Amino acid sequence: GAVVSQHPSRVICKSGTSVKIECRSLDFQATTMFWYRQFPKKSLMLMATSNEGSKATYEQGVEKDKFLINHASLTLSTLTVTSAHPEDSSFYICSAPDRVLFTDTQYFGPGTRLTVL
Amino acid sequence: GNSVTQMEGPVTLSEEAFLTINCTYTATGYPSLFWYVQYPGEGLQLLLKATKADDKGSNKGFEATYRKETTSFHLEKGSVQVSDSAVYFCAHFKAAGNKLTFGGGTRVLVKP
Repeated sequence: GAVVSQHPSRVICKSGTSVKIECRSLDFQATTMFWYRQFPKKSLMLMATSNEGSKATYEQGVEKDKFLINHASLTLSTLTVTSAHPEDSSFYICSAPDRVLFTDTQYFGPGTRLTVL
Repeated sequence: GNSVTQMEGPVTLSEEAFLTINCTYTATGYPSLFWYVQYPGEGLQLLLKATKADDKGSNKGFEATYRKETTSFHLEKGSVQVSDSAVYFCAHFKAAGNKLTFGGGTRVLVKP
């Protein structure tokens, strides 16, 4: 099946710094990728839809200047958490849809755990 | 609006017990329905899916039937194993907007 990777898997940073998280589709092209945030013992919350070659679409309540998304190529999307604060600590997950066989199926990355001190 | 509601956990079972996790949804039209599983320390994996009413999805001994009349997609497994310990997420997909909506997740712990 299709594979989506994320890097890094874990990151610890100081408050006020920025952190970049990469999401890659390894064996397929993804014109669209999704970024989710998962709080401890909670469900996934869709943050934004990343679109290759155009601006990301953010969900209501998500600050686009805080969470910068760049879909640089058909296999790479990045999420940058700018001026991170402890409340940004969370598990960030990306996904990409299967455009070939089952367009309603998404493949998820393993997630990135961000801890802001 | 669109939403997915699933039973809260944690659910603790003994090995070989029967597992049911209830899931109901609200949506207009006919969404595709999914169960995703998240094993400890790993990302979400698709467990099974159903795309229309009365479809039954199955995988790894798990089954779920798309019930339009009750707007439900309950997950069942007849005999669980310790390796089934994970968090299970019910979700639906609407083509308009191309978005998955997840339930709150149910943590399952299977004890030997």
